[in-house]
Amino acid sequence: EVQLVESGGGLVKPGRSLRLSCSTSGFNFGNSALSWFRQAPGKGLEWLGFIRSKAYGETTEYAASVQGRFTISRDDSTSTAYLQMNSLKTEDTAVYHCGRDPGGTYWGRGTLVTVSS
Amino acid sequence: DIEMTQTPLSLSVTPGQPASISCKSSESLLHSSGKTHLYWYLQRPGQPPQLLIYEVFNRFSGVSDRFSGSASGTDFTLKISRVEAEDVGIYYCMQTIRVPITFGQGTRLEF
Repeated sequence: EVQLVESGGGLVKPGRSLRLSCSTSGFNFGNSALSWFRQAPGKGLEWLGFIRSKAYGETTEYAASVQGRFTISRDDSTSTAYLQMNSLKTEDTAVYHCGRDPGGTYWGRGTLVTVSS
Repeated sequence: DIEMTQTPLSLSVTPGQPASISCKSSESLLHSSGKTHLYWYLQRPGQPPQLLIYEVFNRFSGVSDRFSGSASGTDFTLKISRVEAEDVGIYYCMQTIRVPITFGQGTRLEF
């Protein structure tokens, strides 16, 4: 069974940083791209970015809204992906989901990030 | 960016009746491989999105055959042949042919 479990969310002040983790199982992590998405309260889905597999150089793509502030990385030895979020803004408040493949064939349940002073 | 426009934004249906959701992309989603990068997701209340349809008309593993997808150029349609209680939620279309990956606004289906 494919599973993705996000962790690391919480309450953080504007301007601070937070790192989210996405622990996975049930599929060949090393051969898969991993994506991050978010959903602000009461809003729709927003793609944030993805990281390709090692075979594709672990290259990354990002949405303009997070380019330069957020960084996606991966650790194939632990089947875990990460989302490093810097210079957080109040508008980054959302539930953050990781997904397998660029479009998210499978999604985790998400972790809530609240940015507030 | 490729804009994805869904209609309607809200849909009230009677159980057992059909339902249809449209999604229009601002550009072609046809890849040189011959595949069209259009996906449909359902987000049930309190749940993460789940993939229903990939590449326009392919049902994902475990998805009921009551769901079907079709396309005409840049116009895409998701049809539910007979709506059931478990189909309530928000439906999203999504394109992955070009970054940024973009979603439609979502269509809320309710009874």
